[in-house]
Amino acid sequence: GQQLNQSPQSMFIQEGEDVSMNCTSSSIFNTWLWYKQDPGEGPVLLIALYKAGELTSNGRLTAQFGITRKDSFLNISASIPSDVGIYFCAGQSSRQGAQKLVFGQGTRLTINP
Amino acid sequence: DTGVSQDPRHKITKRGQNVTFRCDPISEHNRLYWYRQTLGQGPEFLTYFQNEAQLEKSRLLSDRFSAERPKGSFSTLEIQRTEQGDSAMYLCASSLLGYEQFFGPGTRLTVL
Repeated sequence: GQQLNQSPQSMFIQEGEDVSMNCTSSSIFNTWLWYKQDPGEGPVLLIALYKAGELTSNGRLTAQFGITRKDSFLNISASIPSDVGIYFCAGQSSRQGAQKLVFGQGTRLTINP
Repeated sequence: DTGVSQDPRHKITKRGQNVTFRCDPISEHNRLYWYRQTLGQGPEFLTYFQNEAQLEKSRLLSDRFSAERPKGSFSTLEIQRTEQGDSAMYLCASSLLGYEQFFGPGTRLTVL
């Protein structure tokens, strides 16, 4: 099925470093969402974006909705051990009535203490 | 806890058996979604309910899969004649206005 192109696939960083990941699509989306998933658990919503160009923060997390509506990025500042996990971007289509989320393949974040 | 709940969390079954999963959404949410996630991939959409009406189904939802939400509250997902390829995490999510979807912990299915 359709998926977003998320990069990088994995990141290995030192505690305290900043992290940046992004997501691109060939389709336009009306909504971009970022989730974090721990092993064996469901995704947890981190940030939701609703307007092109929107920049939203949630604590150390900052995400932006691309101007073209085909991309989004997520930044994590001053990483800490509990940031370890898999981060997924998800887009919701602009087609009227479309409700499903389309997900990226995920970015696996590993932090060396 | 008032989040989305799913039961069971784990299910091991033999090929050919039927299985049923349950999802209880956040109480005031009228939209409910089912997704499937295989190892190393993001979740993939299966189906969506608004109240008790099933409004969208993915081509991934073969004839062996059926979902219901009889009273517009909890939902069940049944897989008949399970195959090894059905092994995956089955995730349920709910939403109030259709934008922010909140996920449950998932049901991990293993088909032997």
